Amino acid sequence: KAGVTQTPRYLIKTRGQQVTLSCSPISGHRSVSWYQQTPGQGLQFLFEYFSETQRNKGNFPGRFSGRQFSNSRSEMNVSTLELGDSALYLCASSLSGTGNHEQYFGPGTRLTVT
Amino acid sequence: KNQVEQSPQSLIILEGKNCTLQCNYTVSPFSNLRWYKQDTGRGPVSLTIMTFSENTKSNGRYTATLDADTKQSSLHITASQLSDSASYICVVSAQTGGSYIPTFGRGTSLIVHP
Repeated sequence: KAGVTQTPRYLIKTRGQQVTLSCSPISGHRSVSWYQQTPGQGLQFLFEYFSETQRNKGNFPGRFSGRQFSNSRSEMNVSTLELGDSALYLCASSLSGTGNHEQYFGPGTRLTVT
Repeated sequence: KNQVEQSPQSLIILEGKNCTLQCNYTVSPFSNLRWYKQDTGRGPVSLTIMTFSENTKSNGRYTATLDADTKQSSLHITASQLSDSASYICVVSAQTGGSYIPTFGRGTSLIVHP
């Protein structure tokens, strides 16, 4: 069974631009969660999607948004990029995301904002 | 405010030795506690998941304990191997209604020397 895939793996953007990251979950998984990882803050929860609906949301500004498609693939968008948005963005999938299910992480997208 | 504190921040041990990592949390209402292993440049991999009623959970050479009364967890690694060198992250999820919001610790960086 293929694992969680994320594209692109590396990205360099300029301040003020916007970016879209993609995540393909494990086949059969309906929940996709997104996380930001930085050396200063560690891992932080962005949001979770289940059956095309945002179910949970972390404490991030509205510049961070996402969506999920009918095939469970998910995209995350960051608008008006700031230098502080430079981070590793990870997505994870699980069967139902009901808290106690195993989560499987992708390799991440390394975003650098200059 | 929900918080997860891990100690030590970093640890160096010799191959074959045992070690114990600590996780203290103030997350409410508690849903579950997870330990992840993250190799450099890769996404986290789940080691254990424990709910309120579980005291111990093992995964090969990894054994996690949970004391819900003192809000403490530990991860014990037996007979360490070079491949155990990684960051170990403790994650505690709070449940509010149908929402599960994870709070991450900053991780313990473990280095195993031959």
